[in-house]
Amino acid sequence: DGGITQSPKYLFRKEGQNVTLSCEQNLNHDAMYWYRQDPGQGLRLIYYSQIVNDFQKGDIAEGYSVSREKKESFPLTVTSAQKNPTAFYLCASSIGQGNSGNTIYFGEGSWLTVV
Amino acid sequence: KQEVTQIPAALSVPEGENLVLNCSFTDSAIYNLQWFRQDPGKGLTSLLLIQSSQREQTSGRLNASLDKSSGRSTLYIAASQPGDSATYLCAVRQGAQKLVFGQGTRLTINP
Repeated sequence: DGGITQSPKYLFRKEGQNVTLSCEQNLNHDAMYWYRQDPGQGLRLIYYSQIVNDFQKGDIAEGYSVSREKKESFPLTVTSAQKNPTAFYLCASSIGQGNSGNTIYFGEGSWLTVV
Repeated sequence: KQEVTQIPAALSVPEGENLVLNCSFTDSAIYNLQWFRQDPGKGLTSLLLIQSSQREQTSGRLNASLDKSSGRSTLYIAASQPGDSATYLCAVRQGAQKLVFGQGTRLTINP
């Protein structure tokens, strides 16, 4: 089945530790995104990538890093510099840069908790 | 800066009623507007996408309208069912890849 797979579903991070969230898509989409959702709030954009080997900061990129070495993969690293990382993280994809009218699809999300 | 607002934050109605969810945005320069459904602890499922040149879109019991000049969209749900209970989010697309989300309306349909 085509879709977006995020792993792990639940992750616990100790203070000062970096963690990486995985996002894989088999939809052949060029564009991929990472969003953060806090309780009772909408989604905020962390990073996005329109094509392989290219990515751009979103509204809240500080304390996060990404890579886009393959079309189907867009991992997000939450670094120790992110002071309040506990949140629900959502990965998404869409067809591509030149198609702003296309639907965006989301994965099932990953819960990150600082312990 | 684009701001998207959804009112009310929560809504509870009896099963079978027709209902309307509201979404407003401050900057009318958008590519499209998309409505999503989110179940607790899950990702978002796209329901309807309305291009900036369109006035409405329909899918089954759902109908979404867009009035770009007034910065408003509505999601109409006909004959509501308990399975419709979820959080509904709207998002407007600005720029090449930027979606701006509202905070959502948490809908509860009571049997």
